[in-house]
Amino acid sequence: SAVISQKPSRDICQRGTSLTIQCQVDSQVTMMFWYRQQPGQSLTLIATANQGSEATYESGFVIDKFPISRPNLTFSTLTVSNMSPEDSSIYLCSVRLQGATYEQYFGPGTRLTVT
Amino acid sequence: GQQLNQSPQSMFIQEGEDVSMNCTSSSIFNTWLWYKQDPGEGPVLLIALYKAGELTSNGRLTAQFGITRKDSFLNISASIPSDVGIYFCAGQLTTDSWGKLQFGAGTQVVVTP
Repeated sequence: SAVISQKPSRDICQRGTSLTIQCQVDSQVTMMFWYRQQPGQSLTLIATANQGSEATYESGFVIDKFPISRPNLTFSTLTVSNMSPEDSSIYLCSVRLQGATYEQYFGPGTRLTVT
Repeated sequence: GQQLNQSPQSMFIQEGEDVSMNCTSSSIFNTWLWYKQDPGEGPVLLIALYKAGELTSNGRLTAQFGITRKDSFLNISASIPSDVGIYFCAGQLTTDSWGKLQFGAGTQVVVTP
């Protein structure tokens, strides 16, 4: 497995502002994923972030709203831009370890409230 | 969108009882994963399944990869209070090489003494 940390753990932000969430892993990983989990709901994939290439976004998510950086094999950031109350969610990063399996390990999440 | 049907949505059980939940889909999966999420935490991987028909245990947990590769179930035996949480199934489609996961809607488990 892997130890994954996220910063901040929670935040309360005003409408129209942006928040950058950091994800740090204790080992080098090929693939990192960003998810959104709305209150009482399941996990929805926002994008896949590979080191050295642009992130690949899922349907309904765009780079202007959720820009992602992946500068190295242990770190990624997700920015939630021009926030509205509908962006209030838990944002989770996950990693897929190098190797043949498809197991993903999750960070503790960032709880975002937009007022 | 979500391609996995997870049931039941919630379960209220007494301590010591067994719990069973399942996920079904019209799509074929290469991998089935079961996660548990406690309040305020990220999902924690419980069991990973890679072959059709595979039956895997992790303590009191047992999960199976359906023979058709379109379903999986998770059993919890002799439930205890710390089993409370939301359990998610997740599958990796045969058509996806990046390992993206599809998640079920979750099963909320409540254990009463």
